[in-house]
Order: sequence, then C-alpha cells, then structure tokens
Amino acid sequence: EVQLLESGGGLVQPGMSLRLSCAASGFPFSSYAMTWVRQAPGKGLEWVSGISSSGSSTYYADSVKGRFTISRDNSKNTLYLQVNSLRAEDTAVYYCAKGTATVTKYYFDYWGQGTLVTVSS
Amino acid sequence: DIQMTQSPSTLSASVGDRVTITCRASQSISNWLAWYQQKPGKAPKVLIYKASSLQSGVPSRFSGSGSGTEFTLTISSLQSDDFATYYCQYYNSYSWTFGQGTKVEIK
Repeated sequence: EVQLLESGGGLVQPGMSLRLSCAASGFPFSSYAMTWVRQAPGKGLEWVSGISSSGSSTYYADSVKGRFTISRDNSKNTLYLQVNSLRAEDTAVYYCAKGTATVTKYYFDYWGQGTLVTVSS
Repeated sequence: DIQMTQSPSTLSASVGDRVTITCRASQSISNWLAWYQQKPGKAPKVLIYKASSLQSGVPSRFSGSGSGTEFTLTISSLQSDDFATYYCQYYNSYSWTFGQGTKVEIK
C-alpha cells in the first residue's frame, strides 16, 4: 500500500524557515517523480514544486522560486521541501504527492494527508 | 503561462442527477488533463487522467471528455459520496496548473 506521510509543519514568524519532510513507502520511491502542492485555508490547490525521480531536475512555481528548495533522499525514501523567507501568504496545508512517471508529463496518483504551515507574528 | 478556468464555481444537485463540470484552458493542452475530487479535510484523489482515462478503482459513473482547450467531467448519476470539490489540472513536464475548483453541493 502506498503511503506518504508529511511532517515538519508548524507556526512560524514571517521571514523564518522550515523544512518539510515526506516519508514514502509501498512503492519504489527512486522510480517516480514527486511533487509538493499546497492549499491555503478555504482556497484551491496550488502546485508548488516538483522533482524528477533521480533528483537531477527540479521545478518551482513562480510564487516560491528562490525561496523554496525541493530535494529527495532516495536512500531514505524521503522527499523534502526547504521553505525560507516565509510570508503570510505561504500559510497553507502542504501535501506531497507521487507522480505517475519518472520525469515527464505526470499527474499525481497518491497524496499524503498534508502538513499545516502557519506564518504569523 | 496556461490558465485553467472551471465552471461553474458551485453546483447544487440532487442524488441521481447527471452533473457536468467544464474546464477551459487558455491555450491548447492536447489531452494533458486530470480531474481530482477533494472532500473537506482530506487530500485530493485522482479520478480521470489524459482527459478521458478512468483511474483504477474509480467508479464508472465518472467520465471525462475533451481535448485542446475544452474539457468536461461528467458524473452520470450523482451519489451521496460524490458531494465534494472537483479540480481540473493541466500537467506537463515542468509545471502543473489547477483550475479554481467546482464545489458540488446538495440541493
């Protein structure tokens, strides 16, 4: 059974940093691209960042480019999102999701339960 | 950047109704479109990929159609479990764009 378990969220002040983690199990983690999607309270889904199966290719939404860094450790079956210079508008539930391919043209077939990041002073 | 626009934003329907949700892309996306269902407090679940392919395990009352810039998600006979918010998503190799969502409410 595919499982994705996010952690690392919490309440932080503007300008601070967090590292979100997503522990994966139930599938060959190193064979699939992964992604982060967020959802602000009461709002829709926003794609944040994606990474290829090997980790050699990374992609970001314009809204987070330069502040967020996606990475993965295939030996630990874990996906990460380093979030820096946090702003109030980054407040959201952050979901990790599994892609359906290694690099190209994939949608998301499994999602974690999400971790809440709240940015407030 | 490609924008995805869904209509309507909210839809009121009854159990047994046929329901159609539309998603329009700001430019042609071929058939690189997925549909997701999300219930309150839960993660999204994929229903349809490549515009019309049913994801494994999804009931056959869900169907998708379209290509280019206009797409539809149809629920042939709405069930109580289907009251949720639905999102379309354009996917390619380096960016993914969701529509703003359509909430299906009980009439």
